[in-house]
Amino acid sequence: QQPVQSPQAVILREGEDAVINCSSSKALYSVHWYRQKHGEAPVFLMILLKGGEQKGHDKISASFNEKKQQSSLYLTASQLSYSGTYFCGTDSKGNTPLVFGKGTRLSVIA
Amino acid sequence: DAGVTQSPTHLIKTRGQQVTLRCSPKSGHDTVSWYQQALGQGPQFIFQYYEEEERQRGNFPDRFSGHQFPNYSSELNVNALLLGDSALYLCASSLGGTVNAKNIQYFGAGTRLSVL
Repeated sequence: QQPVQSPQAVILREGEDAVINCSSSKALYSVHWYRQKHGEAPVFLMILLKGGEQKGHDKISASFNEKKQQSSLYLTASQLSYSGTYFCGTDSKGNTPLVFGKGTRLSVIA
Repeated sequence: DAGVTQSPTHLIKTRGQQVTLRCSPKSGHDTVSWYQQALGQGPQFIFQYYEEEERQRGNFPDRFSGHQFPNYSSELNVNALLLGDSALYLCASSLGGTVNAKNIQYFGAGTRLSVL
């Protein structure tokens, strides 16, 4: 039950906004977002717990719609440093192994 | 504060050989999980170690085995290597066993394994 991410890839100019979606076919306890740059470790961005919360830091935020089992990652006023592949990882019961989507490749150009 | 460290960074093996990958968790973490990441894919869970025991396992054959040491570091062993085992192997550490339901994983940079 791998979550489905969309879009697969997106190209932005600096300052533009983007939304990355993550959908699951099963009930979720939490959704985790990571960013991975080429040749580097995936870096934890944020976690959203069931209950339909929204959170964020700086210009990156996310929401979790528990009824739809869908999470969205919002990147506003994108910077060159935002480039990378974004993965969502889902946990169905709390402390169960994360199941990751295939990723969304984000490229920010000047 | 040292993050998750993995060694070696790259490895080339031939079919049928055996390989051992190593991981040191982030300071203060006691749980280590291993993931396989094929090119263009998300990480896929192999297994998790806590208190020196395998606690959870993904859909991987018995050729994949592991170990956790008293200092929380861990090894991943793969026997009888196949071409399809070529991938980036990621180690992630986290804090707490079943108590930490948030399950936040901190990843190392991985070991790139190529099987020829």
